[in-house]
Amino acid sequence: EAAVTQSPRNKVAVTGGKVTLSCNQTNNHNNMYWYRQDTGHGLRLIHYSYGAGSTEKGDIPDGYKASRPSQENFSLILELATPSQTSVYFCASGDENTEVFFGKGTRLTVV
Amino acid sequence: QQQVRQSPQSLTVWEGGTTVLTCSYEDSTFNYFPWYQQFPGEGPALLISILSVSDKKEDGRFTTFFNKREKKLSLHIIDSQPGDSATYFCAASDDTNAYKVIFGKGTHLHVLP
Repeated sequence: EAAVTQSPRNKVAVTGGKVTLSCNQTNNHNNMYWYRQDTGHGLRLIHYSYGAGSTEKGDIPDGYKASRPSQENFSLILELATPSQTSVYFCASGDENTEVFFGKGTRLTVV
Repeated sequence: QQQVRQSPQSLTVWEGGTTVLTCSYEDSTFNYFPWYQQFPGEGPALLISILSVSDKKEDGRFTTFFNKREKKLSLHIIDSQPGDSATYFCAASDDTNAYKVIFGKGTHLHVLP
Protein backbone atom coordinates (compact mmCIF):
# COMPACT_ATOMS: atom_id res chain seq x y z
CA GLU A 1 0.00 0.00 0.00
CA ALA A 2 1.18 3.49 -0.83
CA ALA A 3 2.76 5.17 2.16
CA VAL A 4 4.14 8.58 3.02
CA THR A 5 5.75 8.89 6.42
CA GLN A 6 6.55 12.20 8.05
CA SER A 7 8.76 12.87 11.04
CA PRO A 8 8.49 14.30 13.55
CA ARG A 9 4.71 14.40 13.98
CA ASN A 10 4.95 17.27 16.42
CA LYS A 11 7.71 19.83 16.89
CA VAL A 12 8.21 22.87 19.09
CA ALA A 13 11.01 25.14 17.91
CA VAL A 14 12.42 28.43 19.13
CA THR A 15 12.45 31.56 17.01
CA GLY A 16 15.66 31.76 15.00
CA GLY A 17 16.36 28.06 15.30
CA LYS A 18 16.78 25.60 12.47
CA VAL A 19 14.04 23.06 11.81
CA THR A 20 14.15 20.08 9.48
CA LEU A 21 11.00 18.17 8.59
CA SER A 22 11.56 14.79 6.99
CA CYS A 23 9.43 12.78 4.60
CA ASN A 24 9.83 9.27 3.22
CA GLN A 25 7.68 7.60 0.55
CA THR A 26 7.58 3.97 -0.47
CA ASN A 27 5.43 4.60 -3.57
CA ASN A 28 8.32 5.05 -5.99
CA HIS A 29 6.65 8.26 -7.13
CA ASN A 30 8.66 10.80 -9.06
CA ASN A 31 6.92 13.85 -7.62
CA MET A 32 6.97 14.95 -4.00
CA TYR A 33 5.43 18.00 -2.41
CA TRP A 34 5.47 20.03 0.78
CA TYR A 35 2.30 21.90 1.74
CA ARG A 36 1.30 23.90 4.74
CA GLN A 37 -2.27 24.02 5.97
CA ASP A 38 -3.69 26.99 7.82
CA THR A 39 -7.27 27.88 8.64
CA GLY A 40 -8.70 30.03 5.89
CA HIS A 41 -5.93 29.21 3.43
CA GLY A 42 -6.36 25.52 2.73
CA LEU A 43 -3.32 23.73 1.36
CA ARG A 44 -0.54 25.94 0.06
CA LEU A 45 2.38 24.55 -1.91
CA ILE A 46 5.81 25.43 -0.50
CA HIS A 47 8.23 23.35 -2.57
CA TYR A 48 8.01 20.37 -4.86
CA SER A 49 10.34 17.98 -6.61
CA TYR A 50 10.06 15.88 -9.74
CA GLY A 51 12.92 13.55 -8.92
CA ALA A 52 16.05 12.97 -6.92
CA GLY A 53 18.27 16.03 -6.90
CA SER A 54 15.55 18.45 -8.01
CA THR A 55 13.67 21.02 -6.00
CA GLU A 56 11.28 23.68 -7.30
CA LYS A 57 9.64 26.65 -5.64
CA GLY A 58 5.93 26.44 -5.03
CA ASP A 59 3.58 29.28 -4.28
CA ILE A 60 4.96 30.30 -0.86
CA PRO A 61 8.69 29.34 -0.78
CA ASP A 62 10.04 32.30 1.19
CA GLY A 63 11.72 31.19 4.42
CA TYR A 64 11.88 27.55 3.35
CA LYS A 65 14.39 25.34 1.61
CA ALA A 66 13.92 21.81 0.34
CA SER A 67 16.17 18.87 -0.32
CA ARG A 68 15.54 15.69 -2.36
CA PRO A 69 18.59 13.49 -1.87
CA SER A 70 16.89 10.35 -3.16
CA GLN A 71 13.69 9.13 -4.80
CA GLU A 72 12.30 8.22 -1.37
CA ASN A 73 13.22 11.23 0.77
CA PHE A 74 12.21 14.87 0.65
CA SER A 75 13.03 17.32 3.46
CA LEU A 76 11.76 20.76 4.29
CA ILE A 77 14.23 23.06 6.02
CA LEU A 78 13.51 26.22 7.98
CA GLU A 79 16.91 27.85 8.50
CA LEU A 80 15.62 30.62 10.77
CA ALA A 81 12.23 29.65 12.13
CA THR A 82 9.70 32.40 12.83
CA PRO A 83 6.34 32.31 14.67
CA SER A 84 4.57 32.90 11.33
CA GLN A 85 5.76 29.45 10.28
CA THR A 86 3.66 27.82 12.99
CA SER A 87 1.41 25.53 10.99
CA VAL A 88 0.62 21.96 10.01
CA TYR A 89 2.91 20.71 7.27
CA PHE A 90 2.02 17.91 4.87
CA CYS A 91 4.32 15.97 2.64
CA ALA A 92 2.86 14.17 -0.36
CA SER A 93 3.93 12.08 -3.31
CA GLY A 94 2.36 11.36 -6.68
CA ASP A 95 2.82 11.00 -10.39
CA GLU A 96 1.34 12.98 -13.28
CA ASN A 97 -2.47 13.18 -13.16
CA THR A 98 -2.79 10.44 -10.59
CA GLU A 99 -3.67 10.32 -6.92
CA VAL A 100 -1.50 12.31 -4.55
CA PHE A 101 -0.78 10.46 -1.32
CA PHE A 102 -0.38 12.53 1.81
CA GLY A 103 1.42 11.88 5.05
CA LYS A 104 -0.31 12.40 8.39
CA GLY A 105 1.23 15.83 8.87
CA THR A 106 3.67 17.56 11.20
CA ARG A 107 2.37 20.12 13.65
CA LEU A 108 5.07 22.77 14.06
CA THR A 109 4.92 25.42 16.75
CA VAL A 110 7.53 28.18 16.74
CA VAL A 111 7.74 30.03 20.04
CA GLN B 1 -1.34 32.68 -10.37
CA GLN B 2 -3.45 29.66 -11.15
CA GLN B 3 -6.39 29.37 -8.79
CA VAL B 4 -9.08 26.93 -7.86
CA ARG B 5 -11.98 28.57 -6.04
CA GLN B 6 -14.12 26.48 -3.76
CA SER B 7 -17.43 27.15 -2.05
CA PRO B 8 -18.94 27.20 0.44
CA GLN B 9 -16.25 27.55 3.09
CA SER B 10 -18.43 25.73 5.60
CA LEU B 11 -21.65 23.75 5.28
CA THR B 12 -24.01 22.01 7.70
CA VAL B 13 -26.55 19.46 6.53
CA TRP B 14 -28.88 17.01 8.24
CA GLU B 15 -28.31 13.30 8.10
CA GLY B 16 -29.94 11.85 5.00
CA GLY B 17 -29.75 15.09 3.07
CA THR B 18 -27.81 15.91 -0.10
CA THR B 19 -24.57 17.86 0.11
CA VAL B 20 -23.36 19.93 -2.84
CA LEU B 21 -19.87 21.42 -2.97
CA THR B 22 -18.65 23.49 -5.91
CA CYS B 23 -15.38 24.64 -7.42
CA SER B 24 -14.36 26.83 -10.32
CA TYR B 25 -11.05 27.22 -12.05
CA GLU B 26 -9.40 29.55 -14.51
CA ASP B 27 -6.78 27.67 -16.47
CA SER B 28 -8.31 25.83 -19.42
CA THR B 29 -5.31 23.50 -19.61
CA PHE B 30 -6.42 21.73 -16.41
CA ASN B 31 -7.62 18.25 -17.30
CA TYR B 32 -7.61 16.23 -14.07
CA PHE B 33 -9.84 17.13 -11.13
CA PRO B 34 -9.63 15.14 -7.90
CA TRP B 35 -11.59 15.63 -4.71
CA TYR B 36 -9.85 14.93 -1.41
CA GLN B 37 -11.42 14.20 1.97
CA GLN B 38 -9.65 15.08 5.20
CA PHE B 39 -10.58 14.01 8.71
CA PRO B 40 -9.17 15.83 11.76
CA GLY B 41 -5.60 14.80 12.54
CA GLU B 42 -5.15 13.08 9.20
CA GLY B 43 -3.78 14.00 5.81
CA PRO B 44 -6.14 14.46 2.86
CA ALA B 45 -7.04 11.28 0.98
CA LEU B 46 -8.42 10.89 -2.53
CA LEU B 47 -12.20 10.53 -2.56
CA ILE B 48 -13.07 10.65 -6.25
CA SER B 49 -11.58 12.12 -9.42
CA ILE B 50 -12.63 13.00 -12.94
CA LEU B 51 -10.85 13.70 -16.20
CA SER B 52 -11.92 16.53 -18.47
CA VAL B 53 -13.10 14.08 -21.14
CA SER B 54 -15.96 13.08 -18.82
CA ASP B 55 -18.82 15.08 -17.35
CA LYS B 56 -19.83 12.77 -14.52
CA LYS B 57 -18.33 10.12 -12.30
CA GLU B 58 -20.05 8.16 -9.54
CA ASP B 59 -18.68 6.19 -6.63
CA GLY B 60 -21.37 5.01 -4.29
CA ARG B 61 -22.99 8.00 -2.60
CA PHE B 62 -20.45 10.39 -4.11
CA THR B 63 -20.78 11.90 -7.59
CA THR B 64 -18.61 14.53 -9.21
CA PHE B 65 -19.79 16.61 -12.16
CA PHE B 66 -17.58 18.52 -14.58
CA ASN B 67 -18.63 21.39 -16.85
CA LYS B 68 -15.80 22.26 -19.22
CA ARG B 69 -17.55 25.21 -20.85
CA GLU B 70 -18.20 26.94 -17.53
CA LYS B 71 -14.95 25.71 -15.93
CA LYS B 72 -16.83 24.37 -12.95
CA LEU B 73 -17.01 21.14 -11.03
CA SER B 74 -19.12 19.91 -8.17
CA LEU B 75 -19.30 17.12 -5.64
CA HIS B 76 -22.66 15.69 -4.62
CA ILE B 77 -23.08 13.49 -1.58
CA ILE B 78 -26.46 11.81 -1.33
CA ASP B 79 -27.83 10.37 1.93
CA SER B 80 -25.19 12.32 3.85
CA GLN B 81 -24.00 10.60 7.04
CA PRO B 82 -22.37 11.97 10.21
CA GLY B 83 -19.27 9.99 9.20
CA ASP B 84 -19.01 12.21 6.12
CA SER B 85 -18.18 15.16 8.38
CA ALA B 86 -14.77 16.26 7.17
CA THR B 87 -13.00 18.89 5.11
CA TYR B 88 -13.27 18.45 1.35
CA PHE B 89 -10.77 19.87 -1.13
CA CYS B 90 -11.16 20.09 -4.86
CA ALA B 91 -7.99 20.21 -6.92
CA ALA B 92 -6.77 20.54 -10.48
CA SER B 93 -3.74 19.65 -12.52
CA ASP B 94 -2.72 19.43 -16.16
CA ASP B 95 -0.31 17.53 -18.37
CA THR B 96 1.76 20.59 -19.24
CA ASN B 97 2.59 21.32 -15.61
CA ALA B 98 1.87 18.00 -14.01
CA TYR B 99 4.27 18.54 -11.16
CA LYS B 100 1.86 20.92 -9.49
CA VAL B 101 -1.56 20.08 -8.12
CA ILE B 102 -3.58 23.20 -7.31
CA PHE B 103 -5.93 22.85 -4.33
CA GLY B 104 -8.99 24.85 -3.39
CA LYS B 105 -9.21 26.22 0.14
CA GLY B 106 -11.54 23.49 1.30
CA THR B 107 -15.10 23.12 2.60
CA HIS B 108 -15.77 22.11 6.20
CA LEU B 109 -18.79 19.80 6.12
CA HIS B 110 -20.80 19.02 9.23
CA VAL B 111 -23.51 16.37 9.00
CA LEU B 112 -25.86 16.48 11.95
CA PRO B 113 -27.67 13.34 13.14
